Amino acid sequence: QQQVKQSPQSLIVQKGGISIINCAYENTAFDYFPWYQQFPGKGPALLIAIRPDVSEKKEGRFTISFNKSAKQFSLHIMDSQPGDSATYFCAPGGAGGTSYGKLTFGQGTILTVHP
Amino acid sequence: NAGVMQNPRHLVRRRGQEARLRCSPMKGHSHVYWYRQLPEEGLKFMVYLQKENIIDESGMPKERFSAEFPKEGPSILRIQQVVRGDSAAYFCASSQTTGELFFGEGSRLTVL
Repeated sequence: QQQVKQSPQSLIVQKGGISIINCAYENTAFDYFPWYQQFPGKGPALLIAIRPDVSEKKEGRFTISFNKSAKQFSLHIMDSQPGDSATYFCAPGGAGGTSYGKLTFGQGTILTVHP
Repeated sequence: NAGVMQNPRHLVRRRGQEARLRCSPMKGHSHVYWYRQLPEEGLKFMVYLQKENIIDESGMPKERFSAEFPKEGPSILRIQQVVRGDSAAYFCASSQTTGELFFGEGSRLTVL
């Protein structure tokens, strides 16, 4: 059973464009919705996260939009830059009152931003 | 303030040998998590530990894998009698109580 599904698997964007990555989940007990960024050979790093009591959160060029009824959340990267080229993972967690450290990662989206 | 430190970064073992992966959490963090990442896949939760206690090991294979986080020293993920399917990147992460997870750079295990 695939609990978390990301799309697209890969994405190519021109510099200055908008990158949009979507994440659909099944477990309605999730109450923490982060996006992680991973560069080759490195560990994932938290990019931005949202709790279910808000529908949108913006930090700089990065925005999370959350749709609780549809069980989906998305990452928007405005003014995409070549340095944003990386793999992005959604990783909802926090189900059942456990620590927010037990995350369920999506399969990842490889973003390439062309100069 | 050093981040999460993992060693070794790369480890090569032959089938049947043991692999030991170490993780020192960030200063002040008492929660440690281990995740496994197979090639071109997302990370999969393995185990969650606090000092001297295993809190959640629901993602650990039933055999050959064990983890500990002693009162003193790093957390250890131990894989006995490794098989080729154990080849993966193993990531450790730490956090304060229920805060942000900080990941190490991973230990990449290759089983020949």
